Amino acid sequence: ETGVTQTPRHLVMGMTNKKSLKCEQHLGHNAMYWYKQSAKKPLELMFVYNFKEQTENNSVPSRFSPECPNSSHLFLHLHTLQPEDSALYLCASSPTGGLLARSYEQYFGPGTRLTVT
Amino acid sequence: AQSVTQLGSHVSVSEGALVLLRCNYSSSVPPYLFWYVQYPNQGLQLLLKYTTGATLVKGINGFEAEFKKSETSFHLTKPSAHMSDAAEYFCAVSGSSNFGNEKLTFGTGTRLTIIP
Repeated sequence: ETGVTQTPRHLVMGMTNKKSLKCEQHLGHNAMYWYKQSAKKPLELMFVYNFKEQTENNSVPSRFSPECPNSSHLFLHLHTLQPEDSALYLCASSPTGGLLARSYEQYFGPGTRLTVT
Repeated sequence: AQSVTQLGSHVSVSEGALVLLRCNYSSSVPPYLFWYVQYPNQGLQLLLKYTTGATLVKGINGFEAEFKKSETSFHLTKPSAHMSDAAEYFCAVSGSSNFGNEKLTFGTGTRLTIIP
C-alpha cells in the first residue's frame, strides 16, 4: 500500500465503549497528525508527533489518547466518548525539520467516520 | 498567529464557466499558503502551494492561484469548470512551530457544485 491508510473507515460506538483508530504511512515521513473534521467547522488539529514524540496537544480532552510507537504508525485510543465527538477523524503525515519545514505539505488519509451513540 | 477566511461556503458554477474560490489570510510570519481538495468520503489532497518565488502558482487538474501580499489573498481559479471538480476546497496557511514541523491553519472550506 502507498500513502496514508486509516482503519477502520467507519466506526459506531457507544459512550461506554473503548476503541482505537489506526493510521499508517508508507511515505517515510517523520511527522504525523490527528485532525477532527466536524460539519461546518474548520479542520481542528488535535495532536502532532515528530519522530515519535508528541509535540502538540491542542487542548484535547483526555478521553482521546494518542499513541505513536514508531514514525510509521499512529493510533488514537477512544474511551467514554460523547455524541459531540462524532466526526471524521483524519490522519496526516509530512516530512519535518530544517529550514524548509513550513513549506512541506501534509498527506492525508481517507479518514475514519466516527459515530458515537 | 495565523487565520484563514474563505468567502462563500457554497459556490455553484456552470460546466465550462470560470471557477473562483476566495481565500484571505492573516499571518505573523511570511505566509506559506496551500489549497487542498476533498472529494466525498476521501481525505484532503494537495492542489497547489505557494512558498516563495513566483506569485502565480499552477497546480493539478488545471487549477491555479495567485498570491497577492497587498490584498492578503490567495484565490483559487480554473478557467473552465468540469463536472469532476465538484468537491470541497480548503485554503490553509502554514504557521511557525518550535519543533520544525509545519502547523497548518485551515479555512472552513468551500463546497463547489458544478451545474451541467
